[in-house]
Amino acid sequence: KAGVTQTPRYLIKTRGQQVTLSCSPISGHRSVSWYQQTPGQGLQFLFEYFSETQRNKGNFPGRFSGRQFSNSRSEMNVSTLELGDSALYLCASSPTSWPTDTQYFGPGTRLTVL
Amino acid sequence: DQQVKQNSPSLSVQEGRISILNCDYTNSMFDYFLWYKKYPAEGPTFLISISSIKDKNEDGRFTVFLNKSAKHLSLHIVPSQPGDSAVYFCAARRNNAGNMLTFGGGTRLMVKP
Repeated sequence: KAGVTQTPRYLIKTRGQQVTLSCSPISGHRSVSWYQQTPGQGLQFLFEYFSETQRNKGNFPGRFSGRQFSNSRSEMNVSTLELGDSALYLCASSPTSWPTDTQYFGPGTRLTVL
Repeated sequence: DQQVKQNSPSLSVQEGRISILNCDYTNSMFDYFLWYKKYPAEGPTFLISISSIKDKNEDGRFTVFLNKSAKHLSLHIVPSQPGDSAVYFCAARRNNAGNMLTFGGGTRLMVKP
């Protein structure tokens, strides 16, 4: 099976712009979660989508949003970019939202905000 | 408020010896724990997990121990190999919180040949 794919892999934006990142989960997986990794804050949970519904949301401002499509692909959007949004954004998929399901991570999208 | 902590940012061990990575947590609602390994420019790779109803889980060279009373878990790698050199993250999941993982800050393991 193909793994989790994320596009684009690298992105450079300027402050105030918005950005959309894409994640294609492993075939058959219905849960997609997003995480932000920064040197200062580490890996932090953004949100989880399951069957097109947001199930959980982390402690991030409303500028961070996401959605999931009927084929389980997911996008996250960050509006009005700030310098502090520079990070590695990771997507993870799992078959369901069951606690013992393993989450498989994609390679991430490296976002740089200038 | 860091709910999951890995107090050792780095660890260096000799090839063939045991590597022990530690993790502490504060939230008693966590009931499932995982270890991930991460190489640069790649996403984390799942290694091993343990439910709070167990105190040990083994998978090949990897063993995770959970001490609920101390809110402490550890990952043992025996024997350590140079290919194990990576950053290791422990993560915890809360009951009824779906796939939301809370990660520790990571420990960089270096295995010297």
